Amino acid sequence: EDKVVQSPLSLVVHEGDTVTLNCSYEVTNFRSLLWYKQEKKAPTFLFMLTSSGIEKKSGRLSSILDKKELFSILNITATQTGDSAIYLCAVPLQYNNNDMRFGAGTRLTVKP
Amino acid sequence: NAGVTQTPKFRVLKTGQSMTLLCAQDMNHEYMYWYRQDPGMGLRLIHYSVGEGTTAKGEVPDGYNVSRLKKQNFLLGLESAAPSQTSVYFCASRWDRGWSTEAFFGQGTRLTVV
Repeated sequence: EDKVVQSPLSLVVHEGDTVTLNCSYEVTNFRSLLWYKQEKKAPTFLFMLTSSGIEKKSGRLSSILDKKELFSILNITATQTGDSAIYLCAVPLQYNNNDMRFGAGTRLTVKP
Repeated sequence: NAGVTQTPKFRVLKTGQSMTLLCAQDMNHEYMYWYRQDPGMGLRLIHYSVGEGTTAKGEVPDGYNVSRLKKQNFLLGLESAAPSQTSVYFCASRWDRGWSTEAFFGQGTRLTVV
């Protein structure tokens, strides 16, 4: 059964801390993994990863994929209160190209 | 630039009532999706459409129907609402098929069935 597991489910840090969010997957014929940030409402796209070992960066956020060990991490450095959100990891399913399997998400709370 | 717009944003239904959620996108996307989000469950695909006039079932289609009569609109219907359908519903749209591009999500509809 295809599955995507995120950890931790929730995390509370203080401004300036660095956090690492994890996403492991078991999906037939893996092709890509996507990260989304969900604040109060709609998820917004962060990264798409397809190749192992190549880090994607956007400001203080970065992500990397390990296709051998079947996981991805999302790092946020120098966290700010505006980083508080649910971070979702998703993997497209090969058997149904129009479906993505989402993880349950990690709820990050950054305190001042 | 509106992107993906969902209506309504909130709704309370009694068990057995029916309703339709509307999703509209102005990006000329072919692919549209309806997801539900429940605590601890992530987003799960209900139905999707690969173009005007086509629909298909996702992971959790039971109790829902959809229609895509116009390319820009994707409707999700609940014929006889049940408490198990209490959830937050998200519509999304994409340009292409292979998930090589991002999906754009609407703001969500919080539905409570009592």
